[in-house]
Amino acid sequence: DSGVTQTPKHLITATGQRVTLRCSPRSGDLSVYWYQQSLDQGLQFLIQYYNGEERAKGNILERFSAQQFPDLHSELNLSSLELGDSALYFCASSVMGQGSGNTIYFGEGSWLTVV
Amino acid sequence: AQSVTQLGSHVSVSEGALVLLRCNYSSSVPPYLFWYVQYPNQGLQLLLKYTTGATLVKGINGFEAEFKKSETSFHLTKPSAHMSDAAEYFCAVMLDTGRRALTFGSGTRLQVQP
Repeated sequence: DSGVTQTPKHLITATGQRVTLRCSPRSGDLSVYWYQQSLDQGLQFLIQYYNGEERAKGNILERFSAQQFPDLHSELNLSSLELGDSALYFCASSVMGQGSGNTIYFGEGSWLTVV
Repeated sequence: AQSVTQLGSHVSVSEGALVLLRCNYSSSVPPYLFWYVQYPNQGLQLLLKYTTGATLVKGINGFEAEFKKSETSFHLTKPSAHMSDAAEYFCAVMLDTGRRALTFGSGTRLQVQP
């Protein structure tokens, strides 16, 4: 158990819909990352927050957005869903915003299926 | 920019045999290097990481990796494979500048034959 909690574990929704994925980081971790894992794209970094502020952006679509709340939990919002958005979405957390090789711990992911 | 190449999307070994999973990176500055493992229907678990110092890094479950700057490699090894090692393994790189997020390789699926 990494200490990173993601909900829901599985989600099936229709095209055009909007979903919200939730993440609670490990206790004490200020930095939250979101990654997408799909068969064709592999593991792609989407976005990072540190202590409530956006720190870095990766390959995140404009239809997707995220935020980190004062209690440090984070939500990833996916809208106007397409079939190609079906993937495993990981949340991860680490102590610091800066790298310094600090370990990033991953949750078990949220499986999103768009039908 | 940085990138990671994992040679071999599938590797099959016999139980008790040496495991060697290859990883090469490209980076404009010295990177931090990681190996993660993903068991079926589970998240990513850190096996080991290299930041600075000793270039031979030991991780969990008997795995180790050696950072070779001249070869830009960070290959993962285990002397004797166990059935429970069957999983997908990801090499990742992080720079201490700029984005500071992990960039992953495409993964290597390890099969262990009895």
